[in-house]
Parts: sequence; C-alpha cells; structure tokens
Amino acid sequence: DSGVTQTPKHLITATGQRVTLRCSPRSGDLSVYWYQQSLDQGLQFLIQYYNGEERAKGNILERFSAQQFPDLHSELNLSSLELGDSALYFCASSARDRVGNEQFFGPGTRLTVL
Amino acid sequence: KNQVEQSPQSLIILEGKNCTLQCNYTVSPFSNLRWYKQDTGRGPVSLTIMTFSENTKSNGRYTATLDADTKQSSLHITASQLSDSASYICVVASGGSYIPTFGRGTSLIVHP
Repeated sequence: DSGVTQTPKHLITATGQRVTLRCSPRSGDLSVYWYQQSLDQGLQFLIQYYNGEERAKGNILERFSAQQFPDLHSELNLSSLELGDSALYFCASSARDRVGNEQFFGPGTRLTVL
Repeated sequence: KNQVEQSPQSLIILEGKNCTLQCNYTVSPFSNLRWYKQDTGRGPVSLTIMTFSENTKSNGRYTATLDADTKQSSLHITASQLSDSASYICVVASGGSYIPTFGRGTSLIVHP
C-alpha cells in the first residue's frame, strides 16, 4: 500500500458525460501528479500540482481540468467524455516538487466510457 | 526532445531463468534514473534509483546498472519468479524539468 488513495476504483459512464476522479496523497506529500494509461500504452503525464498550485502541464486535453485543494487532495475533472478517454487514471504523490523525487502511485481509477 | 526507449517491448521467460531489460535515454541534463515495476492494473512501484555517479545498484534479485557516458541502463532480474510478471518502466529525471520522462515499459511474463 503506497498510502495514496484514489476513488472511485471503477467508473462507467456514457459519452458526453462529466466525471470527477479524486486523489488523496500520502500524508505529508505536497506534490500530486495525474497520469493516463490507455490499454497497452505507457503512462502519459497529464498535470502536476504542488501545494495547491499548478506546477507542470503535460498532454492534458482542454476537456480535462484538475485542482488541488487546501487539504492537499486533488480532483481530476473529465468532461464531454469520448470513447477514447477510457483508460486507467493514476494519481501519484511525492514529498516535494523536485524532479526525480520518488512518486508513490495510487491504485488507479478505471474509467470506461460507453 | 527528452526521450526514453526501452527494449524489448515484451519478454517471455521460464521461472528460474535470468533476464535483462534495456533502457536508452536522451534526457539532458541528467538528474537520476528510476526503474518502476507495474503489476497489471496497479500503480507502479519504484525498484531502484540511480544517480550520475552510480554504476550498479541492487534490490534483492533486481540489479540496475547505469552507463552515463552511453546513456544506457539495464535491469537484471536473477532467478525469476512468477511474481516478477509485470511491466518494468524506466523513468529518467532531468534537471531542466519538473516532470521526468517515462519509457513505454517492457512487459515481462514468467512462465512456470
């Protein structure tokens, strides 16, 4: 158990809908990362937050947005969902925002868009 | 552009055999390199971290090597077990970016 929690574990929804994925980092970690992993694909970095502020952005679609709250939990919002958004979404946390810090990954949320 | 290439893409071995996974990178400036193990449907877990000055690092039956001159790393698994079946991901951190560069991973299957 990495100490990172993600909810829900599974999510099934329809095209055009909007969903929210939630992540709680390890106790004391200030940095949160979101990743998308499609079937048989590598991890694709979406976005990073550090202590409530956006730190880095990757290949995140405009339909997707995220935020980190004062209690350091983070939410990833996916809207106008398409079939291609079906994937595993991982959240990871690290103590600080320094590159190379070990990232501790949550169990993931499996999103299925029908 | 920072890139990490891993080979082979997939590998099947028999239980008890050894294997070596490769990682080539073009990340600059180099900060460190990690190998992660990802079991199917689960989040990756760090196995080893190597900095510029380190050539070899072991974690149980896992031994990672780093050649900073040729920008290559390898992960050697000794006496493989069924539980070693997973994807192994090479991740290289650059001093010029907050975000490390991920390889696509090598999928290892260990058969009894």
